[in-house]
Amino acid sequence: NAGVTQTPKFRVLKTGQSMTLLCAQDMNHEYMYWYRQDPGMGLRLIHYSVGEGTTAKGEVPDGYNVSRLKKQNFLLGLESAAPSQTSVYFCASSTLAGGTGELFFGEGSRLTVL
Amino acid sequence: AQTVTQSQPEMSVQEAETVTLSCTYDTSENNYYLFWYKQPPSRQMILVIRQEAYKQQNATENRFSVNFQKAAKSFSLKISDSQLGDTAMYFCAFFRYSGNTGKLIFGQGTTLQVKP
Repeated sequence: NAGVTQTPKFRVLKTGQSMTLLCAQDMNHEYMYWYRQDPGMGLRLIHYSVGEGTTAKGEVPDGYNVSRLKKQNFLLGLESAAPSQTSVYFCASSTLAGGTGELFFGEGSRLTVL
Repeated sequence: AQTVTQSQPEMSVQEAETVTLSCTYDTSENNYYLFWYKQPPSRQMILVIRQEAYKQQNATENRFSVNFQKAAKSFSLKISDSQLGDTAMYFCAFFRYSGNTGKLIFGQGTTLQVKP
């Protein structure tokens, strides 16, 4: 009964380093999303995907890249981390079935860039 | 573009009392969905309640209910008989499918503290 799983849960990076956050869902959902959460700003959409092999930009895509090579996985990459990317990152998924738009979230990944 | 506004950054309520969290949104669309999500200190995002815009009846889930005013673009959450476990940040969110895409847009959040 895993749902949406994010790895790693915590990470500290130095400015300029690169890293990848992995999101995996076992619900066969078509849509997957990456959000970042910052104090006083709610959750803002970084990138999303409507199916395997597709990605699209959200509200705040700069400095991030994504890939969805398999339907169950959605990767978020930071090529050259900056302190402004210190945040909590959430992955979510949803399905077209039922059409309610409900998102299922992972537990979040706290990233600190020094 | 759709926007969601929560004008109350912080609120508090005594245990067993009732509290209402406000949310307004801006859209030109007619068919959409509205949600309230709860985020306790564990950081997990938990769906509290959902409202379909085409339904006039306000959604209810046990102690949680909404006051959906479509013309006014208002979607408030009422928590009755507040419990200590209701302490959390609450996010209002807007969702609409468009073709083969759909995105959830969040408000800034309201931190609710339930006091014993």
